[in-house]
Amino acid sequence: EVQLVESGGGLVQPGGSLRLSCAASGFTFSTYAINWVRQAPGKGLEWVSAVSGNGGRTYYADSVKGRFTISRDNSKNTLYLQMNSLRAEDTAIYYCAVMMNYYFDHWGQGTLVTVSS
Amino acid sequence: IVMTQSPATLSVSPGERATLSCRASQSVSNYLAWYQQKPGQAPRLLFYGASTRATGIPVRFSGSGSGTEFTLTISSLQSEDFAVYYCQQSNNWPYTFGQGTKLEIK
Repeated sequence: EVQLVESGGGLVQPGGSLRLSCAASGFTFSTYAINWVRQAPGKGLEWVSAVSGNGGRTYYADSVKGRFTISRDNSKNTLYLQMNSLRAEDTAIYYCAVMMNYYFDHWGQGTLVTVSS
Repeated sequence: IVMTQSPATLSVSPGERATLSCRASQSVSNYLAWYQQKPGQAPRLLFYGASTRATGIPVRFSGSGSGTEFTLTISSLQSEDFAVYYCQQSNNWPYTFGQGTKLEIK
């Protein structure tokens, strides 16, 4: 069974940093691209970032480019999102989601990030 | 690519049929997925490739369309189907979602 478990969320002040993690199990982690997708309170889904299976290619939404860095450690079956220069508008639940084809096949339960003073 | 869903809210009685629409601002071929999200839960993949059901999705759900126009149909609504539904295109980066359609009980 595919499992994705996010952690690292919390309350951070504007301008601060946070690192999210996503621990994966139940599939061959290094084979698939993994994504971060976020959802602001009461709002829709917004794709944030993706990394290829070997970590060689990364993609970012314009809203986070230059502030967020996605990475993965295939030896630990873990995905990361380093978030710097956080803004109030980054407040959201952050989900990791694996793409086994071209779609978000499996999702974690999410971790809440709140940016507030 | 901008994905536009309609209507924003759809009120339907249990047992009736629901039809949800999704339009892309340019062709996405058939690289279109539908997701269901219930309150407090993560989204769940319903369809990919516009019309292929994901594992475990009941046959009362059907997906259709290609290019820029797509439809999700639920033939006879069950209580567990009331949720928010999102479409998403995977034809071009950045992969984008529609704003969602909330399916509520009438």
